Amino acid sequence: EPEVTQTPSHQVTQMGQEVILRCVPISNHLYFYWYRQILGQKVEFLVSFYNNEISEKSEIFDDQFSVERPDGSNFTLKIRSTKLEDSAMYFCASGYRGRSDGYTFGSGTRLTVV
Amino acid sequence: KQEVTQIPAALSVPEGENLVLNCSFTDSAIYNLQWFRQDPGKGLTSLLLIQSSQREQTSGRLNASLDKSSGRSTLYIAASQPGDSATYLCAVRTTANTGNQFYFGTGTSLTVIP
Repeated sequence: EPEVTQTPSHQVTQMGQEVILRCVPISNHLYFYWYRQILGQKVEFLVSFYNNEISEKSEIFDDQFSVERPDGSNFTLKIRSTKLEDSAMYFCASGYRGRSDGYTFGSGTRLTVV
Repeated sequence: KQEVTQIPAALSVPEGENLVLNCSFTDSAIYNLQWFRQDPGKGLTSLLLIQSSQREQTSGRLNASLDKSSGRSTLYIAASQPGDSATYLCAVRTTANTGNQFYFGTGTSLTVIP
């Protein structure tokens, strides 16, 4: 069964550093998403991406965050100037037909900011 | 804003029992609802997607029902097995926005005792 692949599985970074989280969505999917889950809390929506642009973003997704699909296969989340509170599990997801479809999630990247 | 609540927060049952997990949402104008399973430290595995026009969906030992008017969904697991131990999340999309984001519940942590 097709999978969404995320790398790395765990990343430790120092406060103030920039990190890039990588995702390879399912190849024929057209809609891409990032969610995060702070330990012990709900999974929260960050951003959705379609047709090479952001289609929706939450209030969490401020100027510190950016997304890119640089080469037609990878989908990246960049977090600039990381803060301690950015420590969370970050999930990438993809879908084929948008709202009528469910998502397929990746296994996540655990980001630890020290 | 859509609020999703799951009860109970944790559940422990002996192997072989049938069980019901509950999900409630505040805005009944939903587009669809998806149940996920999350194993510790892992990603989200899609279990069932139920569209707003549907009353239930079944997959193997799992059955999800949806009562949109009362803002509720249930996930029924038949003949539970130790391998079913995980956190179960429900997530809803509303019609109130044009995006694709899901609003997640806090999850029910299920332990099936051999």
